[in-house]
Amino acid sequence: DAGVIQSPRHEVTEMGQEVTLRCKPISGHDYLFWYRQTMMRGLELLIYFNNNVPIDDSGMPEDRFSAKMPNASFSTLKIQPSEPRDSAVYFCASRPVQGQISGANVLTFGAGSRLTVL
Amino acid sequence: AQKITQTQPGMFVQEKEAVTLDCTYDTSDPSYGLFWYKQPSSGEMIFLIYQGSYDQQNATEGRYSLNFQKARKSANLVISASQLGDSAMYFCAMREGQNNQGGKLIFGQGTELSVKP
Repeated sequence: DAGVIQSPRHEVTEMGQEVTLRCKPISGHDYLFWYRQTMMRGLELLIYFNNNVPIDDSGMPEDRFSAKMPNASFSTLKIQPSEPRDSAVYFCASRPVQGQISGANVLTFGAGSRLTVL
Repeated sequence: AQKITQTQPGMFVQEKEAVTLDCTYDTSDPSYGLFWYKQPSSGEMIFLIYQGSYDQQNATEGRYSLNFQKARKSANLVISASQLGDSAMYFCAMREGQNNQGGKLIFGQGTELSVKP
């Protein structure tokens, strides 16, 4: 299995531009999560989906952020317009419903997308 | 609300020695899971070990073990025989609810471990 695939790995953009981050979860995983990592705030959960349906988006910072999962193999996180304070590493992660290790259904992370907004 | 606390921003350990990374948690849910992840300088998040709240024995995975003290709400990670490759950030995380009932994974602030040769 190729694991969770994220693109782009690095993005540098200017304030006000639209940013779209993409994620392909592991095939067969029913849950998909978007996290943001910064030095100041650590790892924050932004939103998660179950069977393509958003379950909890309470971590989405504001209306400039939106996430979609049009099918089981693809999700996007969009920021419009972007601001310098959005600079962070954005992780996508997925997991199955059934546990695979000692009863735990472990979250598998992608490599992350490093966003820099100038 | 759930909360995960890692009180050690940074730790040093001599190669081949054991080290304990602290993690305390707070939850009112009797069913929960505790996880440790490693993040090396390359940035990826690597799962290390899991402990369920109803598990009777402490979890072990190779050189990693989890010192689970339920009454004290602590889930410390013990790394035995440290190696230079263990130098990384380590995150403790918790999910409330049974495994198959959804639930989000909440992370602590992390502990940066440096292994000295």
